[in-house]
Amino acid sequence: GENVEQHPSTLSVQEGDSAVIKCTYSDSASNYFPWYKQELGKRPQLIIDIRSNVGEKKDQRIAVTLNKTAKHFSLHITETQPEDSAVYFCAGGGGSQGNLIFGKGTKLSVKP
Amino acid sequence: KAGVTQTPRYLIKTRGQQVTLSCSPISGHRSVSWYQQTPGQGLQFLFEYFSETQRNKGNFPGRFSGRQFSNSRSEMNVSTLELGDSALYLCASSLEPDSNQPQHFGDGTRLSIL
Repeated sequence: GENVEQHPSTLSVQEGDSAVIKCTYSDSASNYFPWYKQELGKRPQLIIDIRSNVGEKKDQRIAVTLNKTAKHFSLHITETQPEDSAVYFCAGGGGSQGNLIFGKGTKLSVKP
Repeated sequence: KAGVTQTPRYLIKTRGQQVTLSCSPISGHRSVSWYQQTPGQGLQFLFEYFSETQRNKGNFPGRFSGRQFSNSRSEMNVSTLELGDSALYLCASSLEPDSNQPQHFGDGTRLSIL
């Protein structure tokens, strides 16, 4: 079945710096990769997603890249702000598992 | 459009009891998935319901069960509660059951077992 690994588990950056979170997946049939942001005490919110027919997708300060050959995808946040502090989860879907498989999360801290 | 609604938000139970959690999906969404979230373990898939049928199931014991009604609302039941069942239980809805569909989460039910 699908396995999604996420690194790093914690990430601390200075305000204005960039942050990169990486995920790898095992099921080559997976074709959908969403990213969720979960602020403390709140629900996970979908912030961006990418499908396997696209290599990169951007939305303002957030971008996601996908390398199907290497089976990894990454979240890039530029010009980080304190409100970007949260736990970020990657996930893989559309594969043989039949459900979304989540990584264990990355706690991002942006220091003012 | 209202988001995913979960009730109750908080619940305290004791070992051996049972509990029922409720989830109302976004209007028009027909698929509901349930997840257990614990510190360090991320989101672990419990099960998914579509058209009142369990479509997929994660690796949890039979004490965890669910159902879906004709209006797509879903309930999750945990029987014979154990201390390790303390967690945030999240449900997510999507338009269709495929795992390549965007899922939208509710605020969750925080279950504490004493």
